This record gives sequence, structure tokens and C-alpha cells, in this order.
Amino acid sequence: DAGITQSPRYKITETGRQVTLMCHQTWSHSYMFWYRQDLGHGLRLIYYSAAADITDKGEVPDGYVVSRSKTENFPLTLESATRSQTSVYFCATRQPGHGYTFGSGTRLTVV
Amino acid sequence: DAKTTQPTSMDCAEGRAANLPCNHSTISGNEYVYWYRQIHSQGPQYIIHGLKNNETNEMASLIITEDRKSSTLILPHATLRDTAVYYCIVRGGNQSGGYALNFGKGTSLLVTP
Repeated sequence: DAGITQSPRYKITETGRQVTLMCHQTWSHSYMFWYRQDLGHGLRLIYYSAAADITDKGEVPDGYVVSRSKTENFPLTLESATRSQTSVYFCATRQPGHGYTFGSGTRLTVV
Repeated sequence: DAKTTQPTSMDCAEGRAANLPCNHSTISGNEYVYWYRQIHSQGPQYIIHGLKNNETNEMASLIITEDRKSSTLILPHATLRDTAVYYCIVRGGNQSGGYALNFGKGTSLLVTP
């Protein structure tokens, strides 16, 4: 099916572990984004990518790493998870002239 | 990007029109007005966007004032499934932040039977 897919849907991990959240699009949209959403803060931009091999920091990048070796994939890695990274993570793509499409989100709990 | 101001919450009876206002008094000439909504636990969903003309699609209408300092999103016949948080976002065409959208607090719309 065409669209944007995030996996896993839910994840529980321990403090200090590395965890990777996956984002895959079936289009070839250039721009992709990672947001996190917490109560009281709304959606905040973590990282974005303008194209394969081009990434840049957003508002809250500390503790996260991204890569984009292929246009369709934009994984987000928490190198050493902390409890403050417990959140809902949304991936999105930008469709020129048609707005942005968001994935269903990954609910991450760090214990 | 221009800052937006929206009411924190609104109610609307099912079947009636829901009119959601947004103030963006500092909007500049090349900035678009976008509306998104987020139904509980789901990702934000695109509704509509416009520059200066009124816009309509299958989901909603967007009315932008002539001075562009405010806009109104209209859901013509609200249903219970329209209960969501609605975000008004102003975004220019420049590439800063990779065209990322800045989400504020939005308006929590409750549609009641």
C-alpha cells in the first residue's frame, strides 16, 4: 500500500539501550521529518532530511541520530535511551503542493 | 514563520458547521496558512492550506481575511469523528528547517451528539 509506515508501533526499552525507530515511504518524496510529541510540549522537530544523505538538526536533536542512505527510509536511532525520551514519535514526508503526510507513530517507553 | 493564536477549546453540535478561528497578525506575503488535525493517538492529518484566496476541498473550507491576519477553518457538517485537535500553522516557502511545520497547541474541538 502506498504511504508512510512506522515501525514498531510500540516499544519498551531499558535506559542505556540503543533503539532504532523505522520510517518508510512508498513515494519518493525528498523531504522527511521526525517529530516527538509529549504532553505539554506538542509536536517538536527532532531531525529532518532534504534528500538521501542530507540530514539536519531540528529543535530537539540531542540524543538522537538519523541516517538516510535511501530516499524511502529515514531511521531514527536513540544511541543510549533515557527516560526523558519516552514519547510518541512521528515520521512525516512533504509532498510538494499537497501538504505533509504523517505516519501512525511509534509509542516509545524507556524504563 | 509567523506565530498563530487559536482558542484552546471549542464545542460544536453534530451536524452543525464548526468554525475554527486562527489569528496570524504577523504573517508575511509569502507565508501559507496550513490546517492539520490530530485525532487521539493518531498522526496529524492534512486538511487544507491557502495563501490568500479562500479554498475548499472535500474536507473543509478555509476563509482567509483580505489582510491575511486571520483565517477560519470551516467544517460544514461536523460529525463525531471530527473530534480532534486542530492546528493552524503558518509556513513560508523558504527552506529553513527543511520546510518543517511548527505545531503550536491547537484547538481541541469536541463534537457532541
